[in-house]
Amino acid sequence: GESVGLHLPTLSVQEGDNSIINCAYSNSASDYFIWYKQESGKGPQFIIDIRSNMDKRQGQRVTVLLNKTVKHLSLQIAATQPGDSAVYFCAEDNYGQNFVFGPGTRLSVLP
Amino acid sequence: EAGVAQSPRYKIIEKRQSVAFWCNPISGHATLYWYQQILGQGPKLLIQFQNNGVVDDSQLPKDRFSAERLKGVDSTLKIQPAKLEDSAVYLCASSLEWGQGAETQYFGPGTRLLVL
Repeated sequence: GESVGLHLPTLSVQEGDNSIINCAYSNSASDYFIWYKQESGKGPQFIIDIRSNMDKRQGQRVTVLLNKTVKHLSLQIAATQPGDSAVYFCAEDNYGQNFVFGPGTRLSVLP
Repeated sequence: EAGVAQSPRYKIIEKRQSVAFWCNPISGHATLYWYQQILGQGPKLLIQFQNNGVVDDSQLPKDRFSAERLKGVDSTLKIQPAKLEDSAVYLCASSLEWGQGAETQYFGPGTRLLVL
């Protein structure tokens, strides 16, 4: 189940399955979005980005989908691996100046 | 290419003490950011520098937090005096430049602060 505050929403997936992590953003004027991966004890690491003039962007094993109508962003990870276990954050640009980060989702990959 | 460097990695202090964190951004990156990340939350921007000037410090608790980037390269973030609620990871990030639209930020490993 999901909870907020000290307990991050958690997604558990079987190794080899696809993962979908969702994010709702707040500013309809946001022009640029980034997904970050944060492993324990490390800083956030850039995964993939997308600008508002696109609906979809693909990288290596990852795809980001943007639905501006409902202000929703998703990160799809194909063939999830144990090394994908981490906390994932979406970030939206703050009027082109800096970023506002979402609360994060913890991805746990089960063997 | 070397990444963003931060020190110390860990710090434990008592409330009302002072503490300082250091950050060295990626070479050539004009923009530097300090974030506070409380356990279980996303990073929250404290202050943003463009070279040695402050771009945004709207969320910096200025009664106790201060930051500087005197020569437009390294930066220090100070807390004086610390409170229990300052326990968090302090992340430094840098990006190439601001003004061309939001630029991808590269993060350091963070300094984990515990205030007792």
